[in-house]
Amino acid sequence: NAGVTQTPKFRILKIGQSMTLQCAQDMNHNYMYWYRQDPGMGLKLIYYSVGAGITDKGEVPNGYNVSRSTTEDFPLRLELAAPSQTSVYFCASSYGGRPAEFFGPGTRLTVL
Amino acid sequence: GQQVMQIPQYQHVQEGEDFTTYCNSSTTLSNIQWYKQRPGGHPVFLIQLVKSGEVKKQKRLTFQFGEAKKNSSLHITATQTTDVGTYFCAGASGYSTLTFGKGTMLLVSP
Repeated sequence: NAGVTQTPKFRILKIGQSMTLQCAQDMNHNYMYWYRQDPGMGLKLIYYSVGAGITDKGEVPNGYNVSRSTTEDFPLRLELAAPSQTSVYFCASSYGGRPAEFFGPGTRLTVL
Repeated sequence: GQQVMQIPQYQHVQEGEDFTTYCNSSTTLSNIQWYKQRPGGHPVFLIQLVKSGEVKKQKRLTFQFGEAKKNSSLHITATQTTDVGTYFCAGASGYSTLTFGKGTMLLVSP
């Protein structure tokens, strides 16, 4: 099993550009999460999904969108990138009501 | 909203010394999780605690959940250089999602 995979690993965006961060898991987990981690801080939940077709906002959803058309994939869309979105983004998954157990390697995003 | 505070923010120990990090919540938690993150890496799930007063051990690591379910601790006995990293606690209240603390960074000198 590959576990949780994320692409790209690094990206530099200009202010106002858009991009999609990809996340996929091959463990048949129904729960998937997107977190962001700013330097020296803990993780903050952006969006989460409890199954295909079901998504919900987390603590810091503004400026982001998600979709969950399949169990495996949970892409995160950034519209009109802003410097405040410079961060490391982690996707995670878990089974059932378990906490986020398996994290991807992260995407380091810089918005200039 | 729910807040989770961790202390200390940073600790530097000599290899072989013990280490403890503490986690305190502003609200009663239904469960608490602990994660480890190596520098430049991703969080790795260590354990979940659910019951009041629960104590769990993983080799040299001892995790404790307070009786009032508002605090928790992680204790490492006889640290090794492989223990280096940042340790995060993350708590949940009821059916809410996790709130992470800011973490305790552990440095271990050989």
